[in-house]
Amino acid sequence: KQEVTQIPAALSVPEGENLVLNCSFTDSAIYNLQWFRQDPGKGLTSLLLIQSSQREQTSGRLNASLDKSSGRSTLYIAASQPGDSATYLCAISEGGGGNKLTFGTGTQLKVEL
Amino acid sequence: GAGVSQSPSNKVTEKGKDVELRCDPISGHTALYWYRQSLGQGLEFLIYFQGNSAPDKSGLPSDRFSAERTGGSVSTLTIQRTQQEDSAVYLCASSPQGARFGTEAFFGQGTRLTVV
Repeated sequence: KQEVTQIPAALSVPEGENLVLNCSFTDSAIYNLQWFRQDPGKGLTSLLLIQSSQREQTSGRLNASLDKSSGRSTLYIAASQPGDSATYLCAISEGGGGNKLTFGTGTQLKVEL
Repeated sequence: GAGVSQSPSNKVTEKGKDVELRCDPISGHTALYWYRQSLGQGLEFLIYFQGNSAPDKSGLPSDRFSAERTGGSVSTLTIQRTQQEDSAVYLCASSPQGARFGTEAFFGQGTRLTVV
């Protein structure tokens, strides 16, 4: 059974700092990996989608990498802003799991002024 | 519509009552998912619909839970004889195709269900 872990569970950084969020998965037979953010009381917003054949994807200040062999993905946020404060979730579409997404438990990020 | 729409946004119900939660996916999206997010927990897969294929119900926690999707569009998640442990945020997502095809999933704002 695929297990998705996100460390740390919570992170607080000063504004302007570059930071990395981590996502680990136990089964490397994945189709793709998606990063989301969730604001309090809200649904999920898709940030980046990385196909299994890709190594990274970039959108603005965000860069996501994927290393299937080691079962890891990272989300890099450059020049963090208070508006980046949210919970960040990674989700995996896996070979043995049909079409469902298996989510990590998230990293709660707070960017302080 | 512009995004995935869920209704109601909040629902308070008495234990033992039935509830229906509605999801309007993005127009043209053939894949539709229901997830549940309990307080302090991760997202738990409930059910997946793809076009006219039989749904993947493997995540439904008990036979009190059921879902249907009419005309390949709107979906309704029904919880019968609600229990307090059913209290959670129920999230719906849609995508152009299933997750294995590498298309992004777009989520609604969720329905917060409270069973008292």
